[in-house]
Amino acid sequence: GAGVSQSPSNKVTEKGKDVELRCDPISGHTALYWYRQSLGQGLEFLIYFQGNSAPDKSGLPSDRFSAERTGGSVSTLTIQRTQQEDSAVYLCASSKAISGNTIYFGEGSWLTVV
Amino acid sequence: KQEVTQIPAALSVPEGENLVLNCSFTDSAIYNLQWFRQDPGKGLTSLLLIQSSQREQTSGRLNASLDKSSGRSTLYIAASQPGDSATYLCAVSSGSARQLTFGSGTQLTVLP
Repeated sequence: GAGVSQSPSNKVTEKGKDVELRCDPISGHTALYWYRQSLGQGLEFLIYFQGNSAPDKSGLPSDRFSAERTGGSVSTLTIQRTQQEDSAVYLCASSKAISGNTIYFGEGSWLTVV
Repeated sequence: KQEVTQIPAALSVPEGENLVLNCSFTDSAIYNLQWFRQDPGKGLTSLLLIQSSQREQTSGRLNASLDKSSGRSTLYIAASQPGDSATYLCAVSSGSARQLTFGSGTQLTVLP
Protein backbone atom coordinates (compact mmCIF):
# COMPACT_ATOMS: atom_id res chain seq x y z
CA GLY A 1 0.00 0.00 0.00
CA ALA A 2 0.92 3.67 -0.12
CA GLY A 3 1.57 3.95 3.59
CA VAL A 4 1.78 2.06 6.85
CA SER A 5 -1.62 0.60 7.63
CA GLN A 6 -2.79 -0.22 11.15
CA SER A 7 -5.91 -1.93 12.44
CA PRO A 8 -8.08 -1.54 14.33
CA SER A 9 -7.95 2.23 14.43
CA ASN A 10 -9.85 2.20 17.72
CA LYS A 11 -10.32 -0.58 20.26
CA VAL A 12 -12.15 -0.56 23.58
CA THR A 13 -11.59 -3.65 25.67
CA GLU A 14 -12.35 -4.84 29.16
CA LYS A 15 -9.59 -5.18 31.70
CA GLY A 16 -8.15 -8.67 31.62
CA LYS A 17 -8.95 -9.38 27.98
CA ASP A 18 -6.31 -9.98 25.32
CA VAL A 19 -5.98 -7.67 22.30
CA GLU A 20 -4.21 -7.93 18.98
CA LEU A 21 -3.08 -4.93 16.98
CA ARG A 22 -2.06 -5.32 13.37
CA CYS A 23 0.46 -3.42 11.26
CA ASP A 24 0.96 -3.66 7.51
CA PRO A 25 4.20 -1.86 6.62
CA ILE A 26 5.08 -0.16 3.36
CA SER A 27 5.93 -2.73 0.73
CA GLY A 28 9.65 -3.38 0.55
CA HIS A 29 10.44 -1.96 3.97
CA THR A 30 12.55 -4.41 5.92
CA ALA A 31 12.52 -2.58 9.25
CA LEU A 32 9.36 -2.40 11.37
CA TYR A 33 8.89 -0.69 14.73
CA TRP A 34 6.21 -0.50 17.40
CA TYR A 35 5.93 2.56 19.63
CA ARG A 36 3.46 3.55 22.32
CA GLN A 37 2.19 7.04 23.02
CA SER A 38 0.39 7.48 26.31
CA LEU A 39 -1.67 10.52 27.24
CA GLY A 40 0.62 13.28 28.40
CA GLN A 41 3.75 11.25 27.72
CA GLY A 42 6.17 10.99 24.87
CA LEU A 43 6.61 8.18 22.41
CA GLU A 44 8.03 5.02 23.92
CA PHE A 45 9.90 2.44 21.86
CA LEU A 46 8.54 -1.11 22.24
CA ILE A 47 10.09 -3.46 19.68
CA TYR A 48 11.67 -3.57 16.25
CA PHE A 49 12.10 -6.13 13.53
CA GLN A 50 14.76 -6.10 10.83
CA GLY A 51 14.42 -8.61 8.03
CA ASN A 52 14.75 -12.16 9.30
CA SER A 53 16.89 -11.22 12.30
CA ALA A 54 15.72 -11.85 15.85
CA PRO A 55 13.60 -8.89 17.00
CA ASP A 56 14.86 -6.40 19.56
CA LYS A 57 12.34 -6.60 22.39
CA SER A 58 14.18 -4.36 24.81
CA GLY A 59 11.38 -1.80 24.99
CA LEU A 60 8.51 -4.13 25.87
CA PRO A 61 7.18 -3.02 29.29
CA SER A 62 6.20 -6.47 30.57
CA ASP A 63 5.85 -10.11 29.54
CA ARG A 64 2.18 -9.45 28.77
CA PHE A 65 3.38 -7.77 25.59
CA SER A 66 4.59 -9.74 22.59
CA ALA A 67 4.91 -9.19 18.88
CA GLU A 68 5.57 -11.22 15.81
CA ARG A 69 6.21 -10.49 12.18
CA THR A 70 5.17 -13.09 9.65
CA GLY A 71 6.93 -13.46 6.33
CA GLY A 72 8.91 -10.30 6.90
CA SER A 73 5.81 -8.19 6.33
CA VAL A 74 2.72 -7.93 8.53
CA SER A 75 3.26 -7.61 12.27
CA THR A 76 0.93 -8.26 15.18
CA LEU A 77 1.35 -6.76 18.64
CA THR A 78 -0.43 -8.78 21.32
CA ILE A 79 -1.25 -7.54 24.80
CA GLN A 80 -2.43 -10.22 27.19
CA ARG A 81 -4.55 -9.62 30.29
CA THR A 82 -4.87 -5.93 29.51
CA GLN A 83 -4.62 -3.37 32.30
CA GLN A 84 -5.92 0.18 32.39
CA GLU A 85 -2.39 1.54 32.16
CA ASP A 86 -2.11 -0.13 28.75
CA SER A 87 -4.50 2.49 27.37
CA ALA A 88 -2.52 4.41 24.76
CA VAL A 89 -2.00 4.91 21.07
CA TYR A 90 0.09 2.14 19.58
CA LEU A 91 2.02 3.35 16.56
CA CYS A 92 3.69 1.20 13.96
CA ALA A 93 6.43 2.47 11.67
CA SER A 94 8.56 1.07 8.88
CA SER A 95 11.66 2.01 6.92
CA LYS A 96 13.87 0.59 4.21
CA ALA A 97 16.65 -0.14 6.70
CA ILE A 98 17.27 0.11 10.41
CA SER A 99 19.01 3.43 10.09
CA GLY A 100 19.79 6.03 7.53
CA ASN A 101 16.35 6.04 5.99
CA THR A 102 13.22 7.99 6.76
CA ILE A 103 10.81 6.23 9.10
CA TYR A 104 7.14 6.29 8.15
CA PHE A 105 4.43 5.98 10.78
CA GLY A 106 0.92 4.64 10.58
CA GLU A 107 -2.10 6.45 12.01
CA GLY A 108 -2.01 4.34 15.14
CA SER A 109 -4.35 2.05 17.03
CA TRP A 110 -6.10 3.82 19.89
CA LEU A 111 -6.54 1.34 22.73
CA THR A 112 -8.80 2.03 25.70
CA VAL A 113 -8.96 -0.49 28.53
CA VAL A 114 -12.04 -0.08 30.74
CA LYS B 1 20.46 6.42 28.23
CA GLN B 2 19.60 8.86 25.47
CA GLU B 3 17.35 11.73 26.49
CA VAL B 4 15.79 14.28 24.16
CA THR B 5 14.49 17.65 25.27
CA GLN B 6 12.45 20.09 23.24
CA ILE B 7 12.03 23.77 24.01
CA PRO B 8 9.61 25.46 24.11
CA ALA B 9 6.79 23.07 25.03
CA ALA B 10 4.31 25.39 23.37
CA LEU B 11 4.56 28.34 21.04
CA SER B 12 1.99 30.72 19.61
CA VAL B 13 2.88 33.11 16.80
CA PRO B 14 1.03 35.33 14.33
CA GLU B 15 0.87 34.22 10.73
CA GLY B 16 3.88 35.21 8.65
CA GLU B 17 6.45 35.05 11.41
CA ASN B 18 9.64 33.02 11.15
CA LEU B 19 10.22 30.71 14.10
CA VAL B 20 12.73 28.29 15.56
CA LEU B 21 12.08 25.11 17.49
CA ASN B 22 14.86 23.65 19.58
CA CYS B 23 15.89 20.10 20.32
CA SER B 24 18.75 18.82 22.46
CA PHE B 25 20.00 15.31 23.14
CA THR B 26 22.37 13.93 25.75
CA ASP B 27 24.31 11.29 23.81
CA SER B 28 26.02 12.62 20.70
CA ALA B 29 26.61 9.11 19.32
CA ILE B 30 23.60 9.20 17.02
CA TYR B 31 22.95 7.72 13.60
CA ASN B 32 20.51 10.38 12.50
CA LEU B 33 17.96 12.91 13.72
CA GLN B 34 14.45 13.25 12.38
CA TRP B 35 11.80 15.94 12.77
CA PHE B 36 8.17 14.89 12.69
CA ARG B 37 4.84 16.64 12.70
CA GLN B 38 1.81 15.25 14.54
CA ASP B 39 -1.69 16.59 14.05
CA PRO B 40 -4.34 15.91 16.74
CA GLY B 41 -5.58 12.34 16.57
CA LYS B 42 -3.19 11.47 13.79
CA GLY B 43 0.06 9.59 13.35
CA LEU B 44 3.45 11.15 12.73
CA THR B 45 4.53 12.68 9.46
CA SER B 46 8.25 12.83 8.74
CA LEU B 47 9.44 16.32 7.83
CA LEU B 48 13.21 16.12 7.62
CA LEU B 49 15.90 13.52 8.23
CA ILE B 50 19.48 14.59 8.96
CA GLN B 51 22.20 11.96 8.90
CA SER B 52 24.88 12.18 11.58
CA SER B 53 27.41 13.32 8.98
CA GLN B 54 25.21 16.18 7.77
CA ARG B 55 24.79 19.69 9.13
CA GLU B 56 21.41 20.63 7.74
CA GLN B 57 18.50 19.67 5.53
CA THR B 58 15.95 21.84 3.79
CA SER B 59 12.46 21.18 2.50
CA GLY B 60 10.39 24.09 1.30
CA ARG B 61 9.90 26.53 4.16
CA LEU B 62 11.57 24.16 6.62
CA ASN B 63 15.24 24.03 7.49
CA ALA B 64 16.72 21.72 10.11
CA SER B 65 20.24 21.97 11.43
CA LEU B 66 22.29 19.50 13.41
CA ASP B 67 25.26 20.13 15.69
CA LYS B 68 26.09 16.64 16.84
CA SER B 69 29.02 17.59 19.03
CA SER B 70 26.91 19.92 21.14
CA GLY B 71 23.84 17.69 21.00
CA ARG B 72 21.54 20.22 19.39
CA SER B 73 19.19 20.59 16.49
CA THR B 74 16.91 23.39 15.38
CA LEU B 75 13.91 23.41 13.08
CA TYR B 76 13.41 26.74 11.34
CA ILE B 77 10.00 27.47 9.84
CA ALA B 78 9.85 30.46 7.51
CA ALA B 79 6.75 32.56 6.88
CA SER B 80 4.53 30.48 9.16
CA GLN B 81 0.96 29.67 8.16
CA PRO B 82 -2.10 28.55 10.18
CA GLY B 83 -1.76 25.16 8.49
CA ASP B 84 1.60 24.74 10.24
CA SER B 85 -0.24 24.43 13.58
CA ALA B 86 0.64 21.03 15.00
CA THR B 87 2.96 19.32 17.47
CA TYR B 88 6.54 19.05 16.23
CA LEU B 89 8.60 16.15 17.50
CA CYS B 90 12.34 15.66 17.36
CA ALA B 91 13.76 12.13 17.49
CA VAL B 92 17.27 10.72 17.43
CA SER B 93 18.36 7.27 16.35
CA SER B 94 20.98 5.83 18.66
CA GLY B 95 21.95 2.81 20.72
CA SER B 96 22.41 -0.82 19.78
CA ALA B 97 18.77 -1.11 18.72
CA ARG B 98 18.99 2.13 16.74
CA GLN B 99 15.54 2.96 17.91
CA LEU B 100 14.21 6.49 17.88
CA THR B 101 14.15 8.39 21.15
CA PHE B 102 11.60 11.17 21.01
CA GLY B 103 11.34 14.52 22.69
CA SER B 104 8.06 15.54 24.25
CA GLY B 105 7.32 17.90 21.39
CA THR B 106 6.58 21.56 20.79
CA GLN B 107 2.92 22.45 20.27
CA LEU B 108 2.83 25.21 17.67
CA THR B 109 -0.15 27.45 17.04
CA VAL B 110 -0.03 29.91 14.16
CA LEU B 111 -2.72 32.54 14.51
CA PRO B 112 -4.40 33.89 11.37
